[in-house]
Amino acid sequence: NAGVMQNPRHLVRRRGQEARLRCSPMKGHSHVYWYRQLPEEGLKFMVYLQKENIIDESGMPKERFSAEFPKEGPSILRIQQVVRGDSAAYFCASSEGIEQFFGPGTRLTVL
Amino acid sequence: DQQVKQNSPSLSVQEGRISILNCDYTNSMFDYFLWYKKYPAEGPTFLISISSIKDKNEDGRFTVFLNKSAKHLSLHIVPSQPGDSAVYFCAASALYGGSQGNLIFGKGTKLSVKP
Repeated sequence: NAGVMQNPRHLVRRRGQEARLRCSPMKGHSHVYWYRQLPEEGLKFMVYLQKENIIDESGMPKERFSAEFPKEGPSILRIQQVVRGDSAAYFCASSEGIEQFFGPGTRLTVL
Repeated sequence: DQQVKQNSPSLSVQEGRISILNCDYTNSMFDYFLWYKKYPAEGPTFLISISSIKDKNEDGRFTVFLNKSAKHLSLHIVPSQPGDSAVYFCAASALYGGSQGNLIFGKGTKLSVKP
């Protein structure tokens, strides 16, 4: 299966801890997007990366959130000092054209 | 400020009939539109897309229609099948308008196809 991989699928953190979400794009794709979905809402764009570069982070909260896509390895979305409002489903998508293909998501629960 | 709107949170259709899901947008810079289907606890699955230079695109049972003057698009599924029951998201991109390709999503419409 050469689809977009995300892990972990479920992540539970206590307030103040750090959350690290991983995304491996489809083979041959060099563009990665992160989206967040709150309950009963659509997906909201967070950040767009290409290998080693952040292209657009206009949807990323200014504090506590960061993302990277290193030359080797998966893309990482990092949330420091998590708060209850960070509880959501986080989806990664990859593309090599216009259509974006999504992973299964990571469901983050902050206690 | 919601740029992509799906005004019907839910839709129920009989198996074999046509499902029509609607989507409105406000940003005239959008030049590419996509429909995704999502099952619970899974990621969205790409269904079909349309460029703003076209008014119709068809793929099997799925057809997307675009009315640029009305800033409206619709997804037709015919015939509808019980396996089509899912949440359908409309998404738009200003690919050539400087958005870098990120997608703006509607809130989704939950389709239920009754046997």
